[in-house]
Amino acid sequence: QQQVKQSPQSLIVQKGGISIINCAYENTAFDYFPWYQQFPGKGPALLIAIRPDVSEKKEGRFTISFNKSAKQFSLHIMDSQPGDSATYFCAASEFNTGKLIFGQGTTLQVKP
Amino acid sequence: SQTIHQWPATLVQPVGSPLSLECTVEGTSNPNLYWYRQAAGRGLQLLFYSVGIGQISSEVPQNLSASRPQDRQFILSSKKLLLSDSGFYLCAWGGHPSNYGYTFGSGTRLTVV
Repeated sequence: QQQVKQSPQSLIVQKGGISIINCAYENTAFDYFPWYQQFPGKGPALLIAIRPDVSEKKEGRFTISFNKSAKQFSLHIMDSQPGDSATYFCAASEFNTGKLIFGQGTTLQVKP
Repeated sequence: SQTIHQWPATLVQPVGSPLSLECTVEGTSNPNLYWYRQAAGRGLQLLFYSVGIGQISSEVPQNLSASRPQDRQFILSSKKLLLSDSGFYLCAWGGHPSNYGYTFGSGTRLTVV
């Protein structure tokens, strides 16, 4: 049972453009929503995270937008760079167990 | 600072052979520990998690088992590997007030031949 749905599966963006990845969840018990970045052959690394009491969080070129009523959140990468080319995973954490449920991932390619 | 170590980095094993992957965490006590598997080009599948020594929860019935013999040590094992066990195995710690997000190890690429 997939509790976090992520789209698109793959994304190609020109350098300098905006990359947008969307996620939707079902479980209202989730209370923490991180995004991870994974380069080939490496483990995922925490990129940015948000809690449901705020609607937006920005760190440098990365922004999370969160819509609690719609149970949706998204990652925006501004001024996308070739070095941003990686797989991105959204996730949601169950407050009572701490388990992270991951989306299926989005492979981002930023063309020079 | 906290660090997580996972080894080996790559492993090629014949079908039917045993498996032992080890993960250790430094710089924290009583961490929540997790084993994930990632098939090629796919998402992260939670295999096992542990909230304490000897406490293992299995998420997916399979040919694998996990153990936590010490507070900061997590081991993934199999008695007889199958071809379908091939994948990228990741250990992580987190889900804890000091590290609510997960910190992942560098992973083990397992190929069963």
